[in-house]
Amino acid sequence: SAVISQKPSRDICQRGTSLTIQCQVDSQVTMMFWYRQQPGQSLTLIATANQGSEATYESGFVIDKFPISRPNLTFSTLTVSNMSPEDSSIYLCSVEVSRGQTRYNEQFFGPGTRLTVL
Amino acid sequence: DQQVKQNSPSLSVQEGRISILNCDYTNSMFDYFLWYKKYPAEGPTFLISISSIKDKNEDGRFTVFLNKSAKHLSLHIVPSQPGDSAVYFCAASPTSGTYKYIFGTGTRLKVLA
Repeated sequence: SAVISQKPSRDICQRGTSLTIQCQVDSQVTMMFWYRQQPGQSLTLIATANQGSEATYESGFVIDKFPISRPNLTFSTLTVSNMSPEDSSIYLCSVEVSRGQTRYNEQFFGPGTRLTVL
Repeated sequence: DQQVKQNSPSLSVQEGRISILNCDYTNSMFDYFLWYKKYPAEGPTFLISISSIKDKNEDGRFTVFLNKSAKHLSLHIVPSQPGDSAVYFCAASPTSGTYKYIFGTGTRLKVLA
């Protein structure tokens, strides 16, 4: 398993501003993921962040709105830019930890960042 | 298009009885399925998984059943305990090797003491 921390745990922001969320892992991992959980909805993958390469964004998410950094194997940031009330969500980072099998691995999640945009 | 569906948003069960949480999927390319448990103010915690080559996987009080022909999986918790009260998400992963998980909308389980 992996221990994952996120900062901040929650924030209330004004429309038009930006917030950077940090994700720290206690071990080196190749693949990190950023998810969003809107109220009453499922977890939706925003992007996959591998160290040393550009993040890969899912349909409906763009780099200008959600820039991601992955400077090393234990850390990543997600920025929510030019925020609107529709961005109010829980943002979660996760990492994939191999159990030694080539195909079947589990993702472990951080505690999440609860963002409210006014 | 919701590829992974949990049609029951909530479920209440008496302590000691069996909890059965259901999940349906539409994409036949999914070959790995997981269940996560989420407490308020915490991230989802991995619970149990099953690959498409199996129809059952058991871990203590938790058993996951997979019916590929019906594209249906279920999580059985027996006996249920008040500490099991949480939101349960099922997730599915396709065979494309991208390691992307598609999550359901969750079922809130309440175990009554």
